[in-house]
Amino acid sequence: EVQLVESGGGLVQRGGSLRLSCAASGFSFSSYWMHWVRQTPGKGLEWVANIKQNGDEKHYVESVKGRFIISRDNAQNSLFLQMNSVRAEDTAVYYCARDPGDNGDGWYYFDNWGQGTLVSVSS
Amino acid sequence: DIQMTQSPSSVSASVGDRVTITCRASLGSVTWLVWYQQRPGKAPKFLMSSASGSQSGVPSRFSASASGTEFILTISSLQPEDFATYYCQQADRLPLTFGGGTEVELK
Repeated sequence: EVQLVESGGGLVQRGGSLRLSCAASGFSFSSYWMHWVRQTPGKGLEWVANIKQNGDEKHYVESVKGRFIISRDNAQNSLFLQMNSVRAEDTAVYYCARDPGDNGDGWYYFDNWGQGTLVSVSS
Repeated sequence: DIQMTQSPSSVSASVGDRVTITCRASLGSVTWLVWYQQRPGKAPKFLMSSASGSQSGVPSRFSASASGTEFILTISSLQPEDFATYYCQQADRLPLTFGGGTEVELK
């Protein structure tokens, strides 16, 4: 059974940093693209970033470029999101999600999701 | 960015009703669209893509289709466990974008 478990969320001051983690199990983690998706009551669901199987290709939504860094450790079956210079609008539940593409190319959707971790940015 | 417009934003329905949710893309050439179900307090769950029309493990009362620039999710006979919020998402190009959601609530 595929399991994705996020951690690292919490309260952070505006301008501060936070590192989210996602522990993956039940599948060959190194074979899949992975994503971070966030959800706010006001803006709904928003894709944040994705990373290729070997980590050498990454993409970000414009609003987090230059502030967030997605990375992975295939030996530890873990996905990360380093959040720097956080803003009030980064307040959201952050989900780790698996892309079903396992042959090199991403399929650009999410077939498995974690339970989410809440990030709250205080001013 | 491709904007996804979902309608209606909410629908009140009864058990056994047929429910149709529509999603339109700002870019008419979107071909790959997927649907998710989200129950309160839970993560979204992948339902199916418009290309497949159905998905293993998903009840057959759910179906997805496309007509021109319009993508449709149909629940043929609403069951109690189907009361949830449904989202569409275009999977054609980055940045990946979602519709605003359709809340299916009990009438």
